[in-house]
Amino acid sequence: SQQGEEDPQALSIQEGENATMNCSYKTSINNLQWYRQNSGRGLVHLILIRSNEREKHSGRLRVTLDTSKKSSSLLITASRAADTASYFCATHHGAGNNRKLIWGLGTSLAVNP
Amino acid sequence: EAEVAQSPRYKITEKSQAVAFWCDPISGHATLYWYRQILGQGPELLVQFQDESVVDDSQLPKDRFSAERLKGVDSTLKIQPAELGDSAMYLCASSRIGQLTYEQYFGPGTRLTVT
Repeated sequence: SQQGEEDPQALSIQEGENATMNCSYKTSINNLQWYRQNSGRGLVHLILIRSNEREKHSGRLRVTLDTSKKSSSLLITASRAADTASYFCATHHGAGNNRKLIWGLGTSLAVNP
Repeated sequence: EAEVAQSPRYKITEKSQAVAFWCDPISGHATLYWYRQILGQGPELLVQFQDESVVDDSQLPKDRFSAERLKGVDSTLKIQPAELGDSAMYLCASSRIGQLTYEQYFGPGTRLTVT
């Protein structure tokens, strides 16, 4: 099945620095969602941005969406060691029973103390 | 806060054996999903249920995988016979019907190792 693309695949930063991850997709979307996955665990929903929105904030998270470029970015400010995880974007497509989430391959973030 | 329950958390089985995973979604969530996630990759949808009906099983290897949700609540995913390539994390998720934003809530997953 189609998947979005995220970059970088892996990112290593020091505590206190900002982390930026990017996601690109191929077809029109209803919304785009970011999830976090700690090692060996399930995914946790972080933030959602609708196709008619350009920027959204939630705590230390900032998401932007550029539908003309079919891309999104997730910024984590003032990173902490506890932010170490894999981050996935998922794009929501379709309607009714044809609704789907299409997942990216993820960015592995390591925040070093 | 309500959570999606999955069991077992870990399963080791020999190839050619049968294995089953169980999932109990958040109460009131009509839509249930089974995903497979290979290490280092994103989740891949195997099957999606709306109540007790299968909505999408296009990526389910039907020669060896089966899934059911008989009463529209909890669900079982079965593999028979298991193959080495089935080693992965199996994730269950649920979402509310009619929720336009389509956020999904995930369980902790079952880590399957086939030897």
